[in-house]
Amino acid sequence: AQSVTQLGSHVSVSEGALVLLRCNYSSSVPPYLFWYVQYPNQGLQLLLKYTSAATLVKGINGFEAEFKKSETSFHLTKPSAHMSDAAEYFCAVSGDTGFQKLVFGTGTRLLVSP
Amino acid sequence: DGGITQSPKYLFRKEGQNVTLSCEQNLNHDAMYWYRQDPGQGLRLIYYSQIVNDFQKGDIAEGYSVSREKKESFPLTVTSAQKNPTAFYLCASSPAGTGQETQYFGPGTRLLVL
Repeated sequence: AQSVTQLGSHVSVSEGALVLLRCNYSSSVPPYLFWYVQYPNQGLQLLLKYTSAATLVKGINGFEAEFKKSETSFHLTKPSAHMSDAAEYFCAVSGDTGFQKLVFGTGTRLLVSP
Repeated sequence: DGGITQSPKYLFRKEGQNVTLSCEQNLNHDAMYWYRQDPGQGLRLIYYSQIVNDFQKGDIAEGYSVSREKKESFPLTVTSAQKNPTAFYLCASSPAGTGQETQYFGPGTRLLVL
């Protein structure tokens, strides 16, 4: 069965600093990987996804993630944090059921201080 | 505007009462999903449907029921058998496929027990 581990339930950065949110996955088949963002009391919005094309994936709002098979990782980065990036971020994996069934990590809350 | 709507935004349940959460999409997606979100636990799949008049249990289906009589609608009933229903409920939809398709989420319904 597939699974996702997100290291750090909370990450704090200063405005303008690098953002790094960690995601490691487990999968017996080539995975599809997703990053979603959730603002308070709202639904989830897709930031980016990896579907076996380029290993470096660029998403919305200046975020990007790199798929590293050898490390089973798909970490999310942004060079310079903005106050509006404060939210909860979820990594998810799919691909081993022949159907779009996502398995989510437990989420990382990003806090941005001025 | 294409998207997913959920209603109500807040719902209160009394002991022994069944309540129904509404989910409607106008994206012409074949697949629809219900997730439950609890603090620190990420999203867990309750039920999903790949096609009208067909649905499957997810990881935490006990105490819940669904129907899929129309392509655009996938209501979730929280029955009295669900002993801990307080949570944030999210509905999503996607094109049918093999796992790389993006799921689009509604704004959520917060269920509270009186």
